[in-house]
Amino acid sequence: EAQVTQNPRYLITVTGKKLTVTCSQNMNHEYMSWYRQDPGLGLRQIYYSMNVEVTDKGDVPEGYKVSRKEKRNFPLILESPSPNQTSLYFCASSFGTGGGNQPQHFGDGTRLSIL
Amino acid sequence: LAKTTQPISMDSYEGQEVNITCSHNNIATNDYITWYQQFPSQGPRFIIQGYKTKVTNEVASLFIPADRKSSTLSLPRVSLSDTAVYYCLVRNSSASKIIFGSGTRLSIRP
Repeated sequence: EAQVTQNPRYLITVTGKKLTVTCSQNMNHEYMSWYRQDPGLGLRQIYYSMNVEVTDKGDVPEGYKVSRKEKRNFPLILESPSPNQTSLYFCASSFGTGGGNQPQHFGDGTRLSIL
Repeated sequence: LAKTTQPISMDSYEGQEVNITCSHNNIATNDYITWYQQFPSQGPRFIIQGYKTKVTNEVASLFIPADRKSSTLSLPRVSLSDTAVYYCLVRNSSASKIIFGSGTRLSIRP
């Protein structure tokens, strides 16, 4: 089954404790992206990657890192999490460069709470 | 990236046809129009995509007038399970950055 898998689905942690949210897709997609969703602010893009070793900032990259060492994986790293990063996070993937003619496939989300 | 405008919310009843219109006055020649559906605490799900005229699939139709400055997502005979937020995105085939608007919160009543 074609899917985007995120782990963990839920995490409660404390300020400053490094964490990684993994994202893996089995569709051989070139494009992968991370979003955060907050009440009243909608979905905002954090980082995206058009292929292995190619990453770029979205609208809200501060406080986050990503890497794309393999085509299928695109982990989101919070080096020093802070409470304002408490949010619902989604990973997505698509063919090509992620352009408007390529629909995104989304994961089920990761709910992060930073205390 | 073309800016889109949608109604914040809409209400309808089971069995009705629902039309959600998205305005995108500054759409460019190479831009595509894509609609997503999102249920609470789930990732958005692709519904339909089009460039011009009409596109229909098993769940919805997308109507795009000749000037392409707006588009209408049509959901036939909605049910309670169609209650969700619907997003309209307009992007060209080479755009890598993605901006979601606020979407339309659709509520279906029995």
